[in-house]
Amino acid sequence: DTGVSQDPRHKITKRGQNVTFRCDPISEHNRLYWYRQTLGQGPEFLTYFQNEAQLEKSRLLSDRFSAERPKGSFSTLEIQRTEQGDSAMYLCASSPNTSGSYNEQFFGPGTRLTVL
Amino acid sequence: GNSVTQMEGPVTLSEEAFLTINCTYTATGYPSLFWYVQYPGEGLQLLLKATKADDKGSNKGFEATYRKETTSFHLEKGSVQVSDSAVYFCALSRYNFNKFYFGSGTKLNVKP
Repeated sequence: DTGVSQDPRHKITKRGQNVTFRCDPISEHNRLYWYRQTLGQGPEFLTYFQNEAQLEKSRLLSDRFSAERPKGSFSTLEIQRTEQGDSAMYLCASSPNTSGSYNEQFFGPGTRLTVL
Repeated sequence: GNSVTQMEGPVTLSEEAFLTINCTYTATGYPSLFWYVQYPGEGLQLLLKATKADDKGSNKGFEATYRKETTSFHLEKGSVQVSDSAVYFCALSRYNFNKFYFGSGTKLNVKP
């Protein structure tokens, strides 16, 4: 399967713990995105990478959140000192490196985080 | 700013009924418009897209026309099937920004 993969698919943690999620994009895609989706809502943009460079971060991404994409391949999203409000589905997407807004983003299955 | 508004669900239809899911948008510049579908337990999949005014996107019997004058991109299908049951998201992307703005989603239930 050559789609976007995410690991883990589910994570349950206690408030105050740190969690890290991984995303493996489609191999030839240079652009990688993280979104957060809460119940009954559409995905909300968190951050975006072009290769290893993090080019944009949403105001939703507080200082407890950090994302990396070393070597421009897989990406990790870490949440420190988790809060119950962090409970959500975290989605990763990738797209090819061509200009223009009409580029489709390919989404992974998501990581569902539950903070107790 | 940029935003997308979708009709609230759930929408419940009988098989072979006509489907319309309304989507309107607010954007600066000239956005591209998309419909994504999320089947139970799966990730979002692109259903169709339109990149400029008056373009019609179509796929799997679904259609949507980019209407700049009404800032709309309504999704339609002439005859729905049980397998179309899913959550449908309307989204926009501004040129070269690549960031997507999604609506809140509309759940479709199709009964046999």
